[in-house]
Amino acid sequence: AQTVTQSQPEMSVQEAETVTLSCTYDTSESDYYLFWYKQPPSRQMILVIRQEAYKQQNATENRFSVNFQKAAKSFSLKISDSQLGDAAMYFCACYTGANSKLTFGKGITLSVRP
Amino acid sequence: DGGITQSPKYLFRKEGQNVTLSCEQNLNHDAMYWYRQDPGQGLRLIYYSQIVNDFQKGDIAEGYSVSREKKESFPLTVTSAQKNPTAFYLCASSARTVRNTIYFGEGSWLTVV
Repeated sequence: AQTVTQSQPEMSVQEAETVTLSCTYDTSESDYYLFWYKQPPSRQMILVIRQEAYKQQNATENRFSVNFQKAAKSFSLKISDSQLGDAAMYFCACYTGANSKLTFGKGITLSVRP
Repeated sequence: DGGITQSPKYLFRKEGQNVTLSCEQNLNHDAMYWYRQDPGQGLRLIYYSQIVNDFQKGDIAEGYSVSREKKESFPLTVTSAQKNPTAFYLCASSARTVRNTIYFGEGSWLTVV
């Protein structure tokens, strides 16, 4: 079984500042992928960033970057220069190749203060 | 355009009735998924299918049923046995050869009155 834990239900950040969203996971598989998804009020799931577990280098997409600590099973998302449009719910997810199973955390609601 | 189509977007049903939510994809993906999302909550896996004519229970399969007769289609039936079916339902799919890419539909709102 695999689990994804997001222990912070809500966070707030000042516009233009940096915020880090935490996520831990647990899986017995060696072949897996990690994701952060953004869900705005429209409910559309938007892929923010992904990380292959076999890669040591942390993934980066513009203002979004991850801190992937494989031994600690930690996968945090850093948002730099926060913008008002970043306000949304963010989900951490783990995909295992062995059974094609995608498991999500409970999500965190991020608000951005102008 | 390629993608995942869920229908209907909004559905109202009386308590005790079975309802079926449609999910169709034209991405040639092998794996398909159904998730349930309650207000302010995360996504919980209902059922998933890795290949045609095969599917597995997720974490909250009770009260739901699925079929996978065609690669493109993975309908979800919410039965009268589901005690609290009012929720937002999301369908997703992924390719086994490109396992780091997962696509989502726009979701279906089900309200049971």
